[in-house]
Amino acid sequence: AQSVTQLGSHVSVSEGALVLLRCNYSSSVPPYLFWYVQYPNQGLQLLLKYTSAATLVKGINGFEAEFKKSETSFHLTKPSAHMSDAAEYFCAVSEGGSTLGRLYFGRGTQLTVWP
Amino acid sequence: EAQVTQNPRYLITVTGKKLTVTCSQNMNHEYMSWYRQDPGLGLRQIYYSMNVEATDKGDVPEGYKVSRKEKRNFPLILESPSPNQTSLYFCASSRQYGQETQYFGPGTRLLVL
Repeated sequence: AQSVTQLGSHVSVSEGALVLLRCNYSSSVPPYLFWYVQYPNQGLQLLLKYTSAATLVKGINGFEAEFKKSETSFHLTKPSAHMSDAAEYFCAVSEGGSTLGRLYFGRGTQLTVWP
Repeated sequence: EAQVTQNPRYLITVTGKKLTVTCSQNMNHEYMSWYRQDPGLGLRQIYYSMNVEATDKGDVPEGYKVSRKEKRNFPLILESPSPNQTSLYFCASSRQYGQETQYFGPGTRLLVL
């Protein structure tokens, strides 16, 4: 089965600081990779996704992520945090083969932004 | 407006009393899925459906049933709920699977006493 690891269940940054949320995955085939965000009391919404085009993917709200095959990583970054970025972030991976149709999520990282 | 709707949003029930959580999407999506979200565990897939009359188990299917008789609807059935099924449930849909973005409903918070 697919495995997704998010390092750090909680990350705290000051407003204006760099945001870095880490995600590593295990996959024997080129995967599709996603970052979803969940604001309090809401469902998940897509931030960005990698689907084998450019390795640097830009998403909404100034976030971006870089696919590094050699490191099996897909870390999420934002140069300058804003208070409105406070939310829970989930990395997810999908692949073909025997698990076609499945989306595997990491355990999530809660981002806190201090004023 | 394109959306995934779930009902009810909140539900308190007792052990053993059958319940159904409805999920409906208006985007003509083929793929639908149910997840449960528990603190520290992220989202875990319960069941998914690639099309009408095609459903399959996810990672945590025990104690749940689903059906997909129509493309737009994908109800989740708990025939005999137990306290360990207390959780936040999300329905999601996508045009297909793989690289397609999944669209999530607002969630159903279930408490089983």
